[in-house]
Amino acid sequence: AQSVTQLGSHVSVSEGALVLLRCNYSSSVPPYLFWYVQYPNQGLQLLLKYTSAATLVKGINGFEAEFKKSETSFHLTKPSAHMSDAAEYFCAVSDPFGNEKLTFGTGTRLTIIP
Amino acid sequence: EAGVTQFPSHSVIEKGQTVTLRCDPISGHDNLYWYRRVMGKEIKFLLHFVKESKQDESGMPNNRFLAERTGGTYSTLKVQPAELEDSGVYFCASSQERKGLGEQYFGPGTRLTVT
Repeated sequence: AQSVTQLGSHVSVSEGALVLLRCNYSSSVPPYLFWYVQYPNQGLQLLLKYTSAATLVKGINGFEAEFKKSETSFHLTKPSAHMSDAAEYFCAVSDPFGNEKLTFGTGTRLTIIP
Repeated sequence: EAGVTQFPSHSVIEKGQTVTLRCDPISGHDNLYWYRRVMGKEIKFLLHFVKESKQDESGMPNNRFLAERTGGTYSTLKVQPAELEDSGVYFCASSQERKGLGEQYFGPGTRLTVT
């Protein structure tokens, strides 16, 4: 069975500050990992994904995440927050050898302080 | 290219009534998924279609939920009879590739409220 833990249901950062959203996973097999973002009244949009290639993954809108097997983590970062980054962020895991279904964390709502 | 669309965007029904949610995937996507998010909790997998066949329905809560995918195109999710705990946001997603490599494209969701 797989699971995802996102620490912090709400995170606030000042505009221009570092964004760090935490994600830890549990999986019996090497997983595929994803970060999705949901803006108000929209569907989830893929930010980036790790599928066993490079451990540092770059995504859209300046976000990146690093897969750390020893820490079972896949934290999402962005060097400088922008007001448009305000949204809810979801970390997810899938089993590359099984079904393609995604197992999600509970989400982190990011607020940007002007 | 049109994205994944879902109808309706909101639905408010009384306990015991029936509701049917519809999802139109991106054209050409064989994989179609349904997920649900109950308020404050994680988004949970319900089921997965490959074309018109149910590949995995392990996440369906009970037999009050019935999903179909006619001709491998659009899908419907019927809840009959609805209970209070069925309230939440129902997401549909579609993808083209297998084995987790393909991005799942999500629709905006249907917010279901059972009163």
